[in-house]
Amino acid sequence: SQTIHQWPATLVQPVGSPLSLECTVEGTSNPNLYWYRQAAGRGLQLLFYSVGIGQISSEVPQNLSASRPQDRQFILSSKKLLLSDSGFYLCAWSVGRDFNEQFFGPGTRLTVL
Amino acid sequence: AQSVTQLGSHVSVSEGALVLLRCNYSSSVPPYLFWYVQYPNQGLQLLLKYTSAATLVKGINGFEAEFKKSETSFHLTKPSAHMSDAAEYFCAVTITGGGNKLTFGTGTQLKVEL
Repeated sequence: SQTIHQWPATLVQPVGSPLSLECTVEGTSNPNLYWYRQAAGRGLQLLFYSVGIGQISSEVPQNLSASRPQDRQFILSSKKLLLSDSGFYLCAWSVGRDFNEQFFGPGTRLTVL
Repeated sequence: AQSVTQLGSHVSVSEGALVLLRCNYSSSVPPYLFWYVQYPNQGLQLLLKYTSAATLVKGINGFEAEFKKSETSFHLTKPSAHMSDAAEYFCAVTITGGGNKLTFGTGTQLKVEL
C-alpha cells in the first residue's frame, strides 16, 4: 500500500534562518506531488506542483522554493524565513487521471519567530 | 478558473442531528468535486468524490453528497451526527485538463454538541 511521510512534524525557526521540509512517498511510481500551506482560517493554498523529477511549477510567488531530486521525494526550502511563512505545510500525491484524489501527508507545523 | 465557496466557516449541531455542510462551485466545464476531512494537526482524508457518474455520492463514515448542476452545488450531509465527526471539512474542485490540481474552499469547522 502507499504511504506518505513528512518531516519534521513540528519546527520552530527564527526569522532569516533557512528551511528544508521533506516529503517522501512509498508504494507508487511517478506520482504527481504537491506542497500546500494552510494558514489559520484560510484554507489550503497550493504552493508547488510537480509531475516528474526536476519538473516544478510554482503556483504563488513567494519566499519558498521546491525541488524533486528523486521520483518520490519532494523538498520545500527557503533561504531566509519570514514571519509570514508560519503555517501548516502539507505534502500530497496523486496518480493518473484528473479525477483521481490526492492523498495527504501528516503535515509539518512551522512557526517562525 | 474554477472555484468553490463554502458557506459558513463554523457549523454547530447536536449529536444525532442532521449535518449539512454547503459547497457551491464555479466552473466553465464539467467539474470533479471532492470533500475532505481534517482532524486537528493532521493531514486531509478523502470523504467522497464526484466524477460525473452517479449524482448522489456515498462516502466514508456515513457521509454523502449530491451533485446538483442546476444549483452548482455539492453539499455534504450525514443523517445523524456523532461526536467523532467534529473536524474541519473542505470542498475541492478540479477539471479535465486541470493537471490534477485541486482548488480548495476555505473550510467549515463542524462542532458536535451533546
